[in-house]
Amino acid sequence: KAGVTQTPRYLIKTRGQQVTLSCSPISGHRSVSWYQQTPGQGLQFLFEYFSETQRNKGNFPGRFSGRQFSNSRSEMNVSTLELGDSALYLCASSFGQGGVETQYFGPGTRLLVL
Amino acid sequence: AQSVAQPEDQVNVAEGNPLTVKCTYSVSGNPYLFWYVQYPNRGLQFLLKYITGDNLVKGSYGFEAEFNKSQTSFHLKKPSALVSDSALYFCAVSAYILTGGGNKLTFGTGTQLKVEL
Repeated sequence: KAGVTQTPRYLIKTRGQQVTLSCSPISGHRSVSWYQQTPGQGLQFLFEYFSETQRNKGNFPGRFSGRQFSNSRSEMNVSTLELGDSALYLCASSFGQGGVETQYFGPGTRLLVL
Repeated sequence: AQSVAQPEDQVNVAEGNPLTVKCTYSVSGNPYLFWYVQYPNRGLQFLLKYITGDNLVKGSYGFEAEFNKSQTSFHLKKPSALVSDSALYFCAVSAYILTGGGNKLTFGTGTQLKVEL
């Protein structure tokens, strides 16, 4: 079974631009979560989508948004990029059927904001 | 609020020796605990989890973890370390959201494991 895939793997943007990252979950998984990893703040939860609806949200500004499509693929968007948005963005998927589930991570998208 | 702490930024061990990577947790309800490993320029790989049951949990690649409720710890162990085990290890606690469902992982700061010949 194919794992979680994320595109692109690397991105360079300049301040003020916006960016869209894509995540395809493991087949059959309906929940997609996004995390930001930085050296200073570590791994932080951004949001989770299930059945095309945002189910949970972390403590990030409104510049960070996401969506999920009917095939469970998800995108996250960051508008008005800041230098501090440079990070590895990780997507994780799980079945989303309820209870405590294991989340399986993709390889990440490394974003550099100049 | 829930949290996990990994008190060691780095652990060094010789190949063939046992290894332990420490994790303590703080939760208000039942603890749901995970270990993940991250190799350079890669995502996180799931190693093992504790939901309920036996305090000794066996996982991938020969790793195991011991859940200790009285000490609120969930240390990762391996009887014989390999150079290829060198990586960044994260302990995490899952908050199962009772209202609306879903899971949210809260991670520790990570422990860099270095296994030397």
